[in-house]
Amino acid sequence: GENVEQHPSTLSVQEGDSAVIKCTYSDSASNYFPWYKQELGKRPQLIIDIRSNVGEKKDQRIAVTLNKTAKHFSLHITETQPEDSAVYFCAASIGLGTDKLIFGTGTRLQVFP
Amino acid sequence: DTAVSQTPKYLVTQMGNDKSIKCEQNLGHDTMYWYKQDSKKFLKIMFSYNNKELIINETVPNRFSPKSPDKAHLNLHINSLELGDSAVYFCASSQGLNTGELFFGEGSRLTVL
Repeated sequence: GENVEQHPSTLSVQEGDSAVIKCTYSDSASNYFPWYKQELGKRPQLIIDIRSNVGEKKDQRIAVTLNKTAKHFSLHITETQPEDSAVYFCAASIGLGTDKLIFGTGTRLQVFP
Repeated sequence: DTAVSQTPKYLVTQMGNDKSIKCEQNLGHDTMYWYKQDSKKFLKIMFSYNNKELIINETVPNRFSPKSPDKAHLNLHINSLELGDSAVYFCASSQGLNTGELFFGEGSRLTVL
């Protein structure tokens, strides 16, 4: 079946450093790739998303890149802060629409002051 | 104002019992979902409804029965609970089909003893 692989599963960085999380997907029809942040005990919240007609998207300290040929996409967080500590999930849509999302297994990011 | 609210937040019950989780959204969205997050934090879609119509049923055992009385509500009823049903169940909504961002509720932690 379709799947999304996410690496690393845990990531520890010093405050101010950059963090990169990578995902690969299997469905060549996937056209929507969101990233969700889930703080401990809280709900997942969308932080950034990208559609297949765009190669890169940036929002302040967060950027996402997409390589459709290689079927991988990455989340980049620059100048990390302790409040960035959370579990980050990538996801890819399955099929032609965007409603059915397959989520990656999550990356626990810890930012040390 | 809570955008997507679900009750109860915590549910502890015995194997074999039947239980329900309720979800309501006040965002005026057309599409609602149920996701299951297991102990390893893996997020998996279970169902989606658009304007009360079932859109996605992701090979979930038929012990799970969603019901959408109107587009602002999507409830989940589970019969004959099993140990493996223990998880956090997240309700979510989106503006419509293929519109992207999911707005999650706070989750309902179900523990089956």
